[in-house]
Amino acid sequence: NAGVTQTPKFQVLKTGQSMTLQCAQDMNHNSMYWYRQDPGMGLRLIYYSASEGTTDKGEVPNGYNVSRLNKREFSLRLESAAPSQTSVYFCASSERLRRGGLQETQYFGPGTRLLVL
Amino acid sequence: AQSVAQPEDQVNVAEGNPLTVKCTYSVSGNPYLFWYVQYPNRGLQFLLKYITGDNLVKGSYGFEAEFNKSQTSFHLKKPSALVSDSALYFCAVRGINNAGNMLTFGGGTRLMVKP
Repeated sequence: NAGVTQTPKFQVLKTGQSMTLQCAQDMNHNSMYWYRQDPGMGLRLIYYSASEGTTDKGEVPNGYNVSRLNKREFSLRLESAAPSQTSVYFCASSERLRRGGLQETQYFGPGTRLLVL
Repeated sequence: AQSVAQPEDQVNVAEGNPLTVKCTYSVSGNPYLFWYVQYPNRGLQFLLKYITGDNLVKGSYGFEAEFNKSQTSFHLKKPSALVSDSALYFCAVRGINNAGNMLTFGGGTRLMVKP
């Protein structure tokens, strides 16, 4: 049981390049999330998917797109990378995101460190 | 809007001494509070959470946290620190009126335990 896995672990891009960050979970969770972590700012939610087939914007969605490919996989795409997107990106999952599910624990992947030059 | 404050960027403590990592929150309605720990080059690991009931919550690795509604705080504590506890700690809150049920994280506190 690997939990939440992310690829790649590290990536360097030039401004304007595109890339997709991959995330998969094997816990049969319904809900998945993408966060970015910047020094002193904690984690900020980019996009989330409450269930297969749905995606919604989080706190900082600009410059990103997501795809919930199936129940296991949730990818994050940068269409035209900018230096401001240099960050560490974390994927997370939880059993089910719904009204009333406030006590659910999110489980995190190891992160992808992205540098945009 | 809900928010979390971790007033200390870093906490230094000697091994064997008690430790406290502070967290205060702001949320509408009853809060649901979480602590996560992040070791270098790793993702966040869940430590403990407060949902309802006893104000003192016990979690992994000997950590506990005390919920104080009047002070809107949820401080993380451990009676005797270990060098291996050195890591980055995040407090997070989720409020009942948050339509998206999203977690809001604090900025993190680096705990340094010295031998």
